[in-house]
Amino acid sequence: QQQVKQSPQSLIVQKGGISIINCAYENTAFDYFPWYQQFPGKGPALLIAIRPDVSEKKEGRFTISFNKSAKQFSLHIMDSQPGDSATYFCASSNSGYSTLTFGKGTMLLVSP
Amino acid sequence: DTGVSQDPRHKITKRGQNVTFRCDPISEHNRLYWYRQTLGQGPEFLTYFQNEAQLEKSRLLSDRFSAERPKGSFSTLEIQRTEQGDSAMYLCASSLNGDRGLYGYTFGSGTRLTVV
Repeated sequence: QQQVKQSPQSLIVQKGGISIINCAYENTAFDYFPWYQQFPGKGPALLIAIRPDVSEKKEGRFTISFNKSAKQFSLHIMDSQPGDSATYFCASSNSGYSTLTFGKGTMLLVSP
Repeated sequence: DTGVSQDPRHKITKRGQNVTFRCDPISEHNRLYWYRQTLGQGPEFLTYFQNEAQLEKSRLLSDRFSAERPKGSFSTLEIQRTEQGDSAMYLCASSLNGDRGLYGYTFGSGTRLTVV
């Protein structure tokens, strides 16, 4: 039972382009939506997170867009750089419980 | 190093053997989590502790798995009678309570287990 569906599985973007990764969740009790970045051989690192009381959050080149009615949220990486090449995971949580449910991940490759 | 520390980084074991992993959380974090990540998948929750109390266990945590956090500091995850399906990356994370915890959820680099 997959509660968080992530797409695409992989993505190739040219340097300077916009990378877009999408997630959909099922559990309406979820109220915290983070994105994690993972490099090979490392654990996931929190990139940016959003609560459902706002529709967008921006931190530097990273933006989360959130659509509560559609139960969807997305990560936009502006001006993508080769150093952004990594696997990105969306996740969701009912903050009352604090455990995270992750999507399957998107492998992003930014070509020079 | 003030991050979450996991030991060993890699473990190769024969099927049927027992293995134990250790996690040292960020010192001021009172919550500690174990996740499992298989190739091409996102991390899956196994169990978590608040201080020394184990508060939740996933259905993924069969009776061959046991986790402890004596004195609310480091934690160990033991797998008995390992099976090839146990091959995965075992990730530990720590956080504070409540909302502060969600935004300070820090993962270690994991222990990669290979069962041959």
